[in-house]
Amino acid sequence: GDSVTQMEGPVTLSEEAFLTINCTYTATGYPSLFWYVQYPGEGLQLLLKATKADDKGSNKGFEATYRKETTSFHLEKGSVQVSDSAVYFCAPRFSGGSNYKLTFGKGTLLTVNP
Amino acid sequence: DGGITQSPKYLFRKEGQNVTLSCEQNLNHDAMYWYRQDPGQGLRLIYYSQIVNDFQKGDIAEGYSVSREKKESFPLTVTSAQKNPTAFYLCATERRAEGTGSRNQPQHFGDGTRLSIL
Repeated sequence: GDSVTQMEGPVTLSEEAFLTINCTYTATGYPSLFWYVQYPGEGLQLLLKATKADDKGSNKGFEATYRKETTSFHLEKGSVQVSDSAVYFCAPRFSGGSNYKLTFGKGTLLTVNP
Repeated sequence: DGGITQSPKYLFRKEGQNVTLSCEQNLNHDAMYWYRQDPGQGLRLIYYSQIVNDFQKGDIAEGYSVSREKKESFPLTVTSAQKNPTAFYLCATERRAEGTGSRNQPQHFGDGTRLSIL
């Protein structure tokens, strides 16, 4: 069946370090792909999305590219800041009849130290 | 997200008691969702509604009930049948699109309600 696997955390980095959070999926069709971010005590916010192969989503310095050949959507940022400390969720939207179900990875906690 | 209000922010339940979590939106979105978040488990879908007066069970509906009498409101009741209700509950909304356009729509989230057992 359709599923998503996200890199387990926690991830701890120093400010200005390079960030990668891996996300891979298994799907019978071609999902749309989303990354959400959750800051402490808050709900989720859409970070970026990509809807077809080779699309690159980007926002706030974060990027992710839809790789159909490797069924992956890894999140990257070249230089993290303390304010990026949060939980990050990869969320494919798989096709399922008339309702496209959004499926969340387990989340990766990122802590950025000054 | 602005436009989605969940209340209360913190809620306490006694054993055998039903409690209702509120979710109100002014985004004019057709679809609304309830998720449960537990540490290390991501989000799990409880119930969803794509239109007023209609809703469907998600993956973990047992012990929960919902109603959708108005487009703006989608309250969730945690009943006494839910044996492990302590969790963070998130409401989400979505603008519906026709056909395959639905696959590209993001969901928008409220700030959540944290429910604890006394």
